[in-house]
Amino acid sequence: KAGVTQTPRYLIKTRGQQVTLSCSPISGHRSVSWYQQTPGQGLQFLFEYFSETQRNKGNFPGRFSGRQFSNSRSEMNVSTLELGDSALYLCASSLADRGFDEQYFGPGTRLTVT
Amino acid sequence: GNSVTQMEGPVTLSEEAFLTINCTYTATGYPSLFWYVQYPGEGLQLLLKATKADDKGSNKGFEATYRKETTSFHLEKGSVQVSDSAVYFCALSDINDMRFGAGTRLTVKP
Repeated sequence: KAGVTQTPRYLIKTRGQQVTLSCSPISGHRSVSWYQQTPGQGLQFLFEYFSETQRNKGNFPGRFSGRQFSNSRSEMNVSTLELGDSALYLCASSLADRGFDEQYFGPGTRLTVT
Repeated sequence: GNSVTQMEGPVTLSEEAFLTINCTYTATGYPSLFWYVQYPGEGLQLLLKATKADDKGSNKGFEATYRKETTSFHLEKGSVQVSDSAVYFCALSDINDMRFGAGTRLTVKP
């Protein structure tokens, strides 16, 4: 079974721009979560989607948004990029119908904001 | 709110040494507990999990027991290998929340 894939793997953007990251979950997984990983803040939960609906949300500003499509693929968008948005963005998928269960992570997208 | 506190690293051990990485949690309900491992340049991989008190999760020689009385989920391995070098994350989840510890970097030297 193919794992979680994320595209692109690396991105360099300029402050003020916007960016869209993509995640394809493991086949059959309907829950997709997004995380931001930085050396200073560690791993922080952004949001979780299940069957095209945002089910849970972390404590991030409205510049961070996401969506999920009918095939469970998900995208996250960051508008008006700031230098502090430079991070590894990880996507994870899960079979969980309720809450969070064991998650399968993709390799991440490394975003650098200059 | 929920939180996870884990032992700060880095931890450096010789091959075949005993490993313990401490993890304690704060939660209002009855969370599930996990250990994830991250190898360089990769995403996280689930190492083991426990879903209720006194459960023991185990995988690849690693073990952790869900201790509700001490709110702990310490990771142990009896004999580490060079290939165990990675960053280890303790994590907690309930129906609405997923929290990770800060991560502990383990280096095992031959």
